Amino acid sequence: DAKTTQPNSMESNEEEPVHLPCNHSTISGTDYIHWYRQLPSQGPEYVIHGLTSNVNNRMASLAIAEDRKSSTLILHRATLRDAAVYYCILKNYGNTGKLIFGQGTTLQVKP
Amino acid sequence: DAGITQSPRHKVTETGTPVTLRCHQTENHRYMYWYRQDPGHGLRLIHYSYGVKDTDKGEVSDGYSVSRSKTEDFLLTLESATSSQTSVYFCAISDRTGGGETQYFGPGTRLLVL
Repeated sequence: DAKTTQPNSMESNEEEPVHLPCNHSTISGTDYIHWYRQLPSQGPEYVIHGLTSNVNNRMASLAIAEDRKSSTLILHRATLRDAAVYYCILKNYGNTGKLIFGQGTTLQVKP
Repeated sequence: DAGITQSPRHKVTETGTPVTLRCHQTENHRYMYWYRQDPGHGLRLIHYSYGVKDTDKGEVSDGYSVSRSKTEDFLLTLESATSSQTSVYFCAISDRTGGGETQYFGPGTRLLVL
């Protein structure tokens, strides 16, 4: 499974946009890019995923570089509730379904 | 929210005793997973199931066994608990595999082995 690299931590101010980067230089053509987040004392929660094109949903946007070697999760307006660990995960259509979690990025949101 | 419950939510046990954790889903999803989460390691897959009576090992399966006798329940058993199995255990479900598949996680079980 291809590996992802994320910053250990980031800070943001409340109500400002947040851009969480992820590098995945060894991504294969069939790897999907997934983002999950984990709020304190809770299980991980799906955020968004994409393959090649940028994606938007009610929680966030996913911007994928043209060469697919990096991506950015965008929270358009951070709230205190968005403080969590964010995981960028590559998932191939051919695998068993397991998710391989790295260390993720701990996002702090300041009021 | 996906209908996933885990029981118990908290457990304290002694080294050498057997422990069974239960994951119950009401979504009728085919695939179920057990992960453990430890500081410095993130979440790691223990076992998974791709159907009733169909299970396979994950990356940290030693010391654990699983069973799935019906779609809605996936049991994780520690045959003889050790202190290294102190962890937070998460169950997850999905209705398919593949690159675009989404997993839904339960609330977790905190296990302390003394």
